[in-house]
Amino acid sequence: QKEVEQDPGPLSVPEGAIVSLNCTYSNSAFQYFMWYRQYSRKGPELLMYTYSSGNKEDGRFTAQVDKSSKYISLFIRDSQPSDSATYLCAMSPPQTGANNLFFGTGTRLTVIP
Amino acid sequence: DGGITQSPKYLFRKEGQNVTLSCEQNLNHDAMYWYRQDPGQGLRLIYYSQIVNDFQKGDIAEGYSVSREKKESFPLTVTSAQKNPTAFYLCASSFGATYGYTFGSGTRLTVV
Repeated sequence: QKEVEQDPGPLSVPEGAIVSLNCTYSNSAFQYFMWYRQYSRKGPELLMYTYSSGNKEDGRFTAQVDKSSKYISLFIRDSQPSDSATYLCAMSPPQTGANNLFFGTGTRLTVIP
Repeated sequence: DGGITQSPKYLFRKEGQNVTLSCEQNLNHDAMYWYRQDPGQGLRLIYYSQIVNDFQKGDIAEGYSVSREKKESFPLTVTSAQKNPTAFYLCASSFGATYGYTFGSGTRLTVV
């Protein structure tokens, strides 16, 4: 079983829709949760960073962590064509080792004008 | 501005050749990483380094080599032993996993 599972999609939505992207994980020690956005032929960029459980909001983006269910979500409100990208979740346990960040495989999102 | 720079953006390799991909960071990060990304397969770790002159193999190190002579630099050599090198290569750096990684813009390597 992989440490982090993410539906690869692809996901297509009309402009203005609410998008929900999700990841599940198996390691209950994970405490730090991130979402990266990757445009085509570019490197991933950090979009949202959350510690432990709860919600974090940044503009149209909301990151949600449910540690009891081992489930994290990224919501995009009023989606725009510029949100079309691959979204990768990532998570880490508290240990500050260099190689403790585990990535999902990414979900490809297309927002149709 | 601080950041991480990969070069070149595009690289073509003939069969049997070794090629070196450059990665430089000015973020003062201790750790650096090389990933390979293929369609539908996510990120796969090739090598990582926590300090100068030390590095560890990742999940798919065969056919690759690295060096870490300076904190700022972590070049990746794709050797002729790598049988399927055509891919998108990403370099990253960090203070540690809990802080997340900063990625470069990638190098697309194509075998011709």
